[in-house]
Amino acid sequence: EAAVTQSPRSKVAVTGGKVTLSCHQTNNHDYMYWYRQDTGHGLRLIHYSYVADSTEKGDIPDGYKASRPSQENFSLILELASLSQTAVYFCASSDAPGVSGNTLYFGEGSRLIVV
Amino acid sequence: GQQVQQSPASLVLQEGENAELQCNFSSTATQLQWFYQSPGGSLVSLLSNPSGTKHTGRLTSTTVTKERRSSLHISSSQTTDSGTYLCAIDPSSGSWQLIFGSGTQLTVMP
Repeated sequence: EAAVTQSPRSKVAVTGGKVTLSCHQTNNHDYMYWYRQDTGHGLRLIHYSYVADSTEKGDIPDGYKASRPSQENFSLILELASLSQTAVYFCASSDAPGVSGNTLYFGEGSRLIVV
Repeated sequence: GQQVQQSPASLVLQEGENAELQCNFSSTATQLQWFYQSPGGSLVSLLSNPSGTKHTGRLTSTTVTKERRSSLHISSSQTTDSGTYLCAIDPSSGSWQLIFGSGTQLTVMP
């Protein structure tokens, strides 16, 4: 069974503080992603990575950094948290594009509240 | 930019009724997937259907690529089907940078 685990599951941060969201996968997948979901909306891609030590910008990268130190781990970093970054963050992993039956496997989400 | 529109935004059914969810997108898609999100929970893939008709269990998806639309039919709905159904497309050639719609929130009453 595919497994993507996120930590912390919930966090309250102060404006201007640093926040790190962590993601670990045991799927042996090359691709990992960070999405954010705002209440009543779909998911938007922040950053993704297809190989360790390399990250790519998604659709909404401003205000976020990402780090992929190993195939299994992918972190999302908010250097200066802002109120607008209050959201639920989802990590996901997948095989490389073109693999038959490929899909995204999601973690349980990390609820971030910035005050 | 690429848009994915889902309708209806919410749907309330009695157990046993059928549901029809719609997804429209503004340009071609090399991938189209339907996901289920449990209330307050994570997402799981239901099926991938970039074109044609696919069935899995009580779910049937029909995608008409040239009309840029897809539907998800849930037959004989159950209370456990309650949650949000999200449509997502990959507009590029296999980049797997999925663009999600806002979802249809389904509530099935006993």
